[in-house]
Amino acid sequence: AQSVAQPEDQVNVAEGNPLTVKCTYSVSGNPYLFWYVQYPNRGLQFLLKYITGDNLVKGSYGFEAEFNKSQTSFHLKKPSALVSDSALYFCAVRDLDSNYQLIWGAGTKLIIKP
Amino acid sequence: DGGITQSPKYLFRKEGQNVTLSCEQNLNHDAMYWYRQDPGQGLRLIYYSQIVNDFQKGDIAEGYSVSREKKESFPLTVTSAQKNPTAFYLCASSPDRSSYNEQFFGPGTRLTVL
Repeated sequence: AQSVAQPEDQVNVAEGNPLTVKCTYSVSGNPYLFWYVQYPNRGLQFLLKYITGDNLVKGSYGFEAEFNKSQTSFHLKKPSALVSDSALYFCAVRDLDSNYQLIWGAGTKLIIKP
Repeated sequence: DGGITQSPKYLFRKEGQNVTLSCEQNLNHDAMYWYRQDPGQGLRLIYYSQIVNDFQKGDIAEGYSVSREKKESFPLTVTSAQKNPTAFYLCASSPDRSSYNEQFFGPGTRLTVL
């Protein structure tokens, strides 16, 4: 079965430091991977996606993610965290065996402290 | 402005009542989705529609119903058969069901059973 895991419920980072939010996946074929962000009581906003090509994907708000096929990971990164980056982050993988639906991770709460 | 609107933002339901959540999009997207979000869990798919007058059950369709009579509208009815309906409901759309397309989300409706 295809799945995605976000091993950390919460990540705490000081403002100005680099941040990483982890995501690992399990798929039977080529993975299509997505990152979304959710601010409190709001809908999700798309950040970036990996479909094919360059393993380093750049997205919105200065975020980037690195696709690592050997480690089956797609970690979200940012070189310098802002307090406004504090939010809930979701990783998702496209389920090619289930009519192309998205499988979602449980989410990681990112807290950036001033 | 293009986007997805959901109404109401907050909804309170008494035991035994059916309630309908509205979702409208002006993005000219073919595919639309309903998700349920509970604390500490990823999004779970309730129903999805790839084209007008057609829809399919997702992972947790029991106790819910939908219709897709117009391209821009995909209302969700939470019936009295849904045993634990208190949750945050998110509607999303995408240009089509292609695996590489991201989904665009509405702001959500928070449903509380009294």
